[in-house]
Amino acid sequence: SQQGEEDPQALSIQEGENATMNCSYKTSINNLQWYRQNSGRGLVHLILIRSNEREKHSGRLRVTLDTSKKSSSLLITASRAADTASYFCAPLIQGAQKLVFGQGTRLTINP
Amino acid sequence: DAGITQSPRHKVTETGTPVTLRCHQTENHRYMYWYRQDPGHGLRLIHYSYGVKDTDKGEVSDGYSVSRSKTEDFLLTLESATSSQTSVYFCAISVGGDQPQHFGDGTRLSIL
Repeated sequence: SQQGEEDPQALSIQEGENATMNCSYKTSINNLQWYRQNSGRGLVHLILIRSNEREKHSGRLRVTLDTSKKSSSLLITASRAADTASYFCAPLIQGAQKLVFGQGTRLTINP
Repeated sequence: DAGITQSPRHKVTETGTPVTLRCHQTENHRYMYWYRQDPGHGLRLIHYSYGVKDTDKGEVSDGYSVSRSKTEDFLLTLESATSSQTSVYFCAISVGGDQPQHFGDGTRLSIL
């Protein structure tokens, strides 16, 4: 079964608004990674947060991790049309060397 | 983009034929991965390699084999393709098993 499950499956917002995507997982993790995929392209790594970290920032991206709730969130502030893509979370399960991807959140930024 | 090249980018073939997909990297990364991406299933790991001649199975390995005889090349083989293997296949690389992965642009494979 998939470990990383994103919510919502689809999100449509206006340019300039903030977008929040959530991820839940089932077991203990070493880290959790977020990726973006533009249509017809491979995934691009955005940010990695370790199990002992609670929050991490990268430009307009903010990721939080709550290991007690086995959940993470990705916030994109001041969204742009170029942010339109699918976003995936991928927990790295403790003891494993493999990421497990969810089905992603499809984000659409309307001009 | 990280130096990852997948070939071919598109392929159409018939059921029962053998198919080999190639992933080539110029980054000298130790880890290489093969995934398939299908609507409703997201990205699923087929096989991965943690060094030359060192490979392991992922969650959907049945019907697939892999080989890694050189650091830079990771081959995925469908011995006898079936229509259920129609998918988009992605290769990824990373320096370590717990590190970010860098993806190629995929191979779109159609099996008729």
